[in-house]
Amino acid sequence: GAVVSQHPSRVICKSGTSVKIECRSLDFQATTMFWYRQFPKKSLMLMATSNEGSKATYEQGVEKDKFLINHASLTLSTLTVTSAHPEDSSFYICSASDDSGQQFFGPGTRLTVL
Amino acid sequence: DAKTTQPPSMDCAEGRAANLPCNHSTISGNEYVYWYRQIHSQGPQYIIHGLKNNETNEMASLIITEDRKSSTLILPHATLRDTAVYYCIVRVASSNDYKLSFGAGTTVTVRA
Repeated sequence: GAVVSQHPSRVICKSGTSVKIECRSLDFQATTMFWYRQFPKKSLMLMATSNEGSKATYEQGVEKDKFLINHASLTLSTLTVTSAHPEDSSFYICSASDDSGQQFFGPGTRLTVL
Repeated sequence: DAKTTQPPSMDCAEGRAANLPCNHSTISGNEYVYWYRQIHSQGPQYIIHGLKNNETNEMASLIITEDRKSSTLILPHATLRDTAVYYCIVRVASSNDYKLSFGAGTTVTVRA
């Protein structure tokens, strides 16, 4: 099946710093990528839908100025958590859609803000 | 998009079949039933999907009732590595920008 990678897999940062997470589709082109957040013992919550070459569509309650999404190419989308705070600590997961509409998920990035 | 209902947890014995039910009574005619699973601290993994016919692949079988209001995912010979949260999701398959809505899923624990 198609492979989606995320980098880094784990990051620890100080409060107030910004963190960038990369999501790559390794063997297919993805016009659409999705970003999810998952808190401990909770289900995945969609944060935003990212379309190549256009602005991301954010879900209600997700601050677009805090969670910056860039989808500059058909194989790369980035999520930047700006001015991170401890409450932003979470498991961030991306997925990418191929032409059939099937979504393939990355392995996730564990963010810990001290 | 239609909502789904799954039992919160299920135990099964290693080597036995695991039958995971899902209710989706408000499913639309063009919506497929998808199953994903998430092993602890990993991203979700696609298992199988179907519209109205039963489907089988190397991982599992999917049985959809004739009225499409419910389905069952079958893991034929559960192993300890099948311990995970299993999500049943309904969505339109043809659109590549259609978002997935994850419910609480079923936490499956396979015991030796």
